[in-house]
Amino acid sequence: GAVVSQHPSWVICKSGTSVKIECRSLDFQATTMFWYRQFPKQSLMLMATSNEGSKATYEQGVEKDKFLINHASLTLSTLTVTSAHPEDSSFYICSAAEPHHRGGETQYFGPGTRLLVL
Amino acid sequence: AQTVTQSQPEMSVQEAETVTLSCTYDTSESDYYLFWYKQPPSRQMILVIRQEAYKQQNATENRFSVNFQKAAKSFSLKISDSQLGDAAMYFCAYRSAYNNDMRFGAGTRLTVKP
Repeated sequence: GAVVSQHPSWVICKSGTSVKIECRSLDFQATTMFWYRQFPKQSLMLMATSNEGSKATYEQGVEKDKFLINHASLTLSTLTVTSAHPEDSSFYICSAAEPHHRGGETQYFGPGTRLLVL
Repeated sequence: AQTVTQSQPEMSVQEAETVTLSCTYDTSESDYYLFWYKQPPSRQMILVIRQEAYKQQNATENRFSVNFQKAAKSFSLKISDSQLGDAAMYFCAYRSAYNNDMRFGAGTRLTVKP
């Protein structure tokens, strides 16, 4: 099956610093990648949709200046949490859409990044 | 907006037995896709099974099968011959055929008893 990697798997940073998370599709080209946030014992909440070569589309309530997304190639998307604060501590998951027949894309997920802001 | 409901926060099954996880959804769209994902303690989301709404035949993947009732907007997952490794959170998800939006249910935690 399709493989998506995410790096780093966990990061601890000081309040006010910026953190970059990378998401890569390893064996397929993903025109669209997605960034989710998951709080403990909760479901996944879509933060933004990232399309290669264009600006990301952010969900309502997600600050685009806070969570910078760059989709530089068909296999790489990055999420930068700028000026991180303790409330940004969470589990961040990316997914990449692999085109399926009849245009129905299946999303494959990275292993997630656990962010802890002190 | 589409919503996905998983009414069973927790389920338990004996090893080798069968269990069914429920999922209902609300949509006004006619074309869409439904998924079941598994999230073990590692938190890696793993695709279990996928169903296209235009297909009447229920999808199956080895021990996993679905009961897709389009009129009732129901999409349950049946796990046969349950194994210890099946223990995980299971998320039902809906994806529109018209955009990239994917909506997840709240999840069902499955425990498998030896």
